[in-house]
Amino acid sequence: DQQVKQNSPSLSVQEGRISILNCDYTNSMFDYFLWYKKYPAEGPTFLISISSIKDKNEDGRFTVFLNKSAKHLSLHIVPSQPGDSAVYFCAASQGTYKYIFGTGTRLKVLA
Amino acid sequence: SQTIHQWPATLVQPVGSPLSLECTVEGTSNPNLYWYRQAAGRGLQLLFYSVGIGQISSEVPQNLSASRPQDRQFILSSKKLLLSDSGFYLCAWSVWGNQPQHFGDGTRLSIL
Repeated sequence: DQQVKQNSPSLSVQEGRISILNCDYTNSMFDYFLWYKKYPAEGPTFLISISSIKDKNEDGRFTVFLNKSAKHLSLHIVPSQPGDSAVYFCAASQGTYKYIFGTGTRLKVLA
Repeated sequence: SQTIHQWPATLVQPVGSPLSLECTVEGTSNPNLYWYRQAAGRGLQLLFYSVGIGQISSEVPQNLSASRPQDRQFILSSKKLLLSDSGFYLCAWSVWGNQPQHFGDGTRLSIL
């Protein structure tokens, strides 16, 4: 049973526009959520996180939104740049060491 | 600053051969350590985690084992590799609490 789902395997966006990556989860006990970015042949790099006590967290061009009632989080990248092209993973945890990762969304930013 | 080293970057092994992948962390003490595998087209699957020397927990029963002989060293092993062990193996570390895990650059393991 996949507790964290990224239903869009890929996404293409024009440079300068907004990229919106989505993630759904099933476990209402998750209280910490993260987004990672991964380039080919490299390990994932931490991007941004959000605690369940918040509904928004911003860091530069990256904003994460959390909708607890819908069990949904999203990552907004504004403006999108070609260097943002990568695979993005969302992850969730229940206040422990164990993070459950989604299957990833491949973002392609077109110049 | 903290760094994590993982090697080798790529490895090609025949079926039935042993495996040893090593991961070391610098710049922090008593980290939580993790081994993940990413199979083709899949997410990151947690294989093992460790909260201290000699303390290993397995998440998925399989052909692999892990050991933590020193505080900042984590080793993934197998006595006999299977074809299904192919994948991208990632080591990560974190501190306690709601904090991000930080990943190494991974090892691409191909079994022939």
